[in-house]
Amino acid sequence: DTGVSQNPRHKITKRGQNVTFRCDPISEHNRLYWYRQTLGQGPEFLTYFQNEAQLEKSRLLSDRFSAERPKGSFSTLEIQRTEQGDSAMYLCASSFPADTDTQYFGPGTRLTVL
Amino acid sequence: AQTVTQSQPEMSVQEAETVTLSCTYDTSESDYYLFWYKQPPSRQMILVIRQEAYKQQNATENRFSVNFQKAAKSFSLKISDSQLGDAAMYFCAYSGANSKLTFGKGITLSVRP
Repeated sequence: DTGVSQNPRHKITKRGQNVTFRCDPISEHNRLYWYRQTLGQGPEFLTYFQNEAQLEKSRLLSDRFSAERPKGSFSTLEIQRTEQGDSAMYLCASSFPADTDTQYFGPGTRLTVL
Repeated sequence: AQTVTQSQPEMSVQEAETVTLSCTYDTSESDYYLFWYKQPPSRQMILVIRQEAYKQQNATENRFSVNFQKAAKSFSLKISDSQLGDAAMYFCAYSGANSKLTFGKGITLSVRP
């Protein structure tokens, strides 16, 4: 049973650059979530998809952030014109509503903006 | 909006002893789920235990059990026979009708050999 995978695991970028992260959920899971976690804090919800539809976006998701799940399988999270405040761990989780809807997390992508 | 509060930032337990981690939450929903997740240093978030609000029986998973007090909106995690591998950050989380998770700030548990 393959878990949630995320790539890259680490990303270092310069302020102003664009970055894109990928998440591959557990294969039968139709819900996919993105969270952001800063050091010493709990994760904060960013957005989630059911199949290819983006159902909710947090106010934390500024105009510089965009997420897609084009075929209802993997998802990408893009940050444009990165700022130092974007430095964080970006976590992806997936769930299957008919099976308790419990969310299972990937290892995360750690973003450092210099 | 739902909130989750973990007021203890750190706790320590002797190996083989029992420790209880506290969590309170606030919600106006009647149907929801509560979770405890474990996050070891530099490792991914792992589900420890899950509780459905409509169930009166407290959830149990091997050495892990919860004390769910719905009226008090309290959801504590008890770890019995603590092991060195239990050392991690533990997060209490809430999920309601919109299915997104709301997390507490977490508690760092250390286990003394």
